Parts: sequence; C-alpha cells; structure tokens
Amino acid sequence: TQLLEQSPQFLSIQEGENLTVYCNSSSVFSSLQWYRQEPGEGPVLLVTVVTGGEVKKLKRLTFQFGDARKDSSLHITAAQPGDTGLYLCAGATLVDFGNEKLTFGTGTRLTIIP
Amino acid sequence: DTGVSQDPRHKITKRGQNVTFRCDPISEHNRLYWYRQTLGQGPEFLTYFQNEAQLEKSRLLSDRFSAERPKGSFSTLEIQRTEQGDSAMYLCASRGGGSTDTQYFGPGTRLTVL
Repeated sequence: TQLLEQSPQFLSIQEGENLTVYCNSSSVFSSLQWYRQEPGEGPVLLVTVVTGGEVKKLKRLTFQFGDARKDSSLHITAAQPGDTGLYLCAGATLVDFGNEKLTFGTGTRLTIIP
Repeated sequence: DTGVSQDPRHKITKRGQNVTFRCDPISEHNRLYWYRQTLGQGPEFLTYFQNEAQLEKSRLLSDRFSAERPKGSFSTLEIQRTEQGDSAMYLCASRGGGSTDTQYFGPGTRLTVL
C-alpha cells in the first residue's frame, strides 16, 4: 500500500513568516500534485511536478519534487491570511486502462494569524 | 462555469435510507473518479470510469455502494441502507484523455447519516 505522510499535520504561524510543508513516501510516483482545500469545498489543484528535482514557483509558493520522485516540499514565503487552508499532496501512479491512481497525504492544516 | 459540479452539496439522511449523488464532469473529460474524504483525512479513491465503463473499484466500495455513468457523461453514486460510518464528503473528479492530464475536483457532497 502506498502511503504519503505529510508534516506537520497542523501549523499556525504569524502573517509574514515563512513555512515549509513536507510530503514523504517510500514509493516512486510518476508525478506529484499539491492541492489546497477550503472547508466544505473540493481540493483545488495548485501545481503538478513531474521531473525528479523539479522546482516550480507560484507567486510566494515554491514546490519541489525530490530527485527520486518519492517526496516533495511546499515552501511559502511571507505567509498571508489568505494562505489559510488544508494543503494536500497526492502522488500519481499510472495504472491500467489509462487510469491515474492518486494517493493522497493526510494533509497539513495551515492557519495564518493576522 | 465549466468546472466539475456535484449535486446535492449537502445531504442529511437517517440510517437505513438510500441516497444518490450526481456528478457532472468537465464536458470534454472522458475519465471520472469518485473519492471519499472523512474528517481530518485526505481523499480516498472509490472508483474510476473511462467513458461509460467502470474499470476499477476500491475495496472501500462495499456492495451497498454502486456507481454508474450510463452515457459516459454524468455519473451517479448510490449508497443503499446507509450507515453512520458512511458520513463523509464524497468527491468527484474528472480528467482528460492525455497521460499527463490532471484530475479536477468538484465541490463535493457532504453526507451526514443520523
């Protein structure tokens, strides 16, 4: 069974601080996706990383895929209250019939205090 | 709005009743997924359709659960004889036909079984 562990599970920091969320697995994935989910809503895709060692930036968010494609990190610079939410990583594995199986991490609940 | 839509957004039912949820995917997407998300957890895969064919079912999908996608467009998920343990957010996602396409999630249906 593929497992994705996210750390920390909960993080509460002051506005303006930096933070890093980690997503680790013993399995290799074809790609890794990061989602943000608001209460009562579905996950919204932030980024997909495909190549080992890949780094993608989305404004103040920096995503990195590990060289071995087993782990990833999300770094937020100068956090703002609008960054508050549940951050989910999901590892993708291509299986039969063109199916992409997503295995989700347990999530990191981030609260930015104004 | 051209995103994934789900109906209803909230459903409260009594134990033992049957419920049915609907998912309308992004129109050009031929792949459709159902997930279940319980409080404090990431989504867990339930089942997958490519066009109208149901190609994979998780062991989480007991025989009280049935999903259909009769014309390869919208999909329904039915739960018979609901139990309190079925209380969760049920998420639908759709994906295009390319091997690198990603899944886009709907807003979910929150089910509460009393």
